[in-house]
Amino acid sequence: EDKVVQSPLSLVVHEGDTVTLNCSYEVTNFRSLLWYKQEKKAPTFLFMLTSSGIEKKSGRLSSILDKKELSSILNITATQTGDSAIYLCAVVGAYKYIFGTGTRLKVLA
Amino acid sequence: NAGVTQTPKFRVLKTGQSMTLLCAQDMNHEYMYWYRQDPGMGLRLIHYSVGEGTTAKGEVPDGYNVSRLKKQNFLLGLESAAPSQTSVYFCASMGGLGQPQHFGDGTRLSIL
Repeated sequence: EDKVVQSPLSLVVHEGDTVTLNCSYEVTNFRSLLWYKQEKKAPTFLFMLTSSGIEKKSGRLSSILDKKELSSILNITATQTGDSAIYLCAVVGAYKYIFGTGTRLKVLA
Repeated sequence: NAGVTQTPKFRVLKTGQSMTLLCAQDMNHEYMYWYRQDPGMGLRLIHYSVGEGTTAKGEVPDGYNVSRLKKQNFLLGLESAAPSQTSVYFCASMGGLGQPQHFGDGTRLSIL
C-alpha cells in the first residue's frame, strides 16, 4: 500500500530559528514529490521535485529529494511568524497524489 | 482569476439528508480531485477524474458519488449523510501529469 510519512507531526520554534521537515515515502510508479503550505484554507504549492540531489530554493525555503532513501526534506531558515502553517508533502504515483498527514509548524515571536 | 471555486463554503446537514458539493475550475484542466481533510489524517482522496465523462474511486469513496459531465465541473454527492462525513472537503485540479494540483478554498461540512 502506498504511503507517505511526515515528521515531526508538530513543531514549535522561535523567530529566527532554522527548521527541517521530513517526508519519507513508499509509492509505486513514483513521478514526483511536492510540498505545499496550508494556512487557513487551500494548500498552496511550494516545490515540485523529480530528480534526486537537485535543491529547489525559494527565498528562505529550500527542498531536496533523495530517491535512494525515498525521502525529502524541506528547510526553512530564519523563520518568521508568517511561516506558521501546516506543511504537506505529497507524492505523485500514476494519476494520484498520496498526501502525508502534514507537519504543523508554529513560529513564536 | 478564479482558479478553483468550491460552493458552498459551509453547510450543516442532518443525518440522512443529501447534498451536492460543486467544484468549478476555469483553467481548462483535465484532472480533477475530491479530498477530505480530517484532523491528524491529512488529505484523503475520495474520487477523481482524468477527463470529462470519467470518474474513478480514490482511497475513501464509500458514501460518496461524483459526476464530471462538463470538463470544468466536478460534483461530489452525499446521498445519505452520516456524522462520519463531517469534514473539510477540498477540490483540486491539475493540467497534466507532472504538474502541481491547484486547490479550492474548501467546504466545511457538519453532519448532525
